[in-house]
Amino acid sequence: GAGVSQSPSNKVTEKGKDVELRCDPISGHTALYWYRQRLGQGLEFLIYFQGNSAPDKSGLPSDRFSAERTGESVSTLTIQRTQQEDSAVYLCASSLRTNNEQFFGPGTRLTVL
Amino acid sequence: GDSVTQMEGPVTLSEEAFLTINCTYTATGYPSLFWYVQYPGEGLQLLLKATKADDKGSNKGFEATYRKETTSFHLEKGSVQVSDSAVYFCALSRPGNTPLVFGKGTRLSVIA
Repeated sequence: GAGVSQSPSNKVTEKGKDVELRCDPISGHTALYWYRQRLGQGLEFLIYFQGNSAPDKSGLPSDRFSAERTGESVSTLTIQRTQQEDSAVYLCASSLRTNNEQFFGPGTRLTVL
Repeated sequence: GDSVTQMEGPVTLSEEAFLTINCTYTATGYPSLFWYVQYPGEGLQLLLKATKADDKGSNKGFEATYRKETTSFHLEKGSVQVSDSAVYFCALSRPGNTPLVFGKGTRLSVIA
């Protein structure tokens, strides 16, 4: 597609369950980013990929969060044993190179009951 | 380290009022500067950018000028509309292979 896509658009889960969020970046973009945005808050940087490598994982909130990217394309953000404080919109972005402007997907709204 | 500071929101304006959202930055070298906008229920989208000092970015009636002497990139619009209600994020690029740095965002509400 022409833009960054994310799936699912909405996810409701029960506390303690694992969830996987998917991001399809713009074709040819080498860099991919994950952010979290809690209700009414700014962007919280989680992790970014340059190719399939993640040089900076310092933004991941806990060891329940992990992410991978394959084929310099699709990325998956996994949250294990979800907690209510994980409820947020998870945004993915991609850019041609790491310090270029980023193009954002529509986000996945995660609600943990 | 490199950082972006935006004015605290929310900002509430009447339609056709003049808008300024302040953004200042701290950075090494000569970063590129960006304004992103997030409309209700949507993802962020690039509004405008400037890549060097004294450049003016403009789009949809919004403007921002890269001022190196004051390390600022204030967003302005002469006459806001209700449809401009959104959250606005200022951002900068850093040298080397590192991601953009975003400000915390400023929420704008325009009332008719």
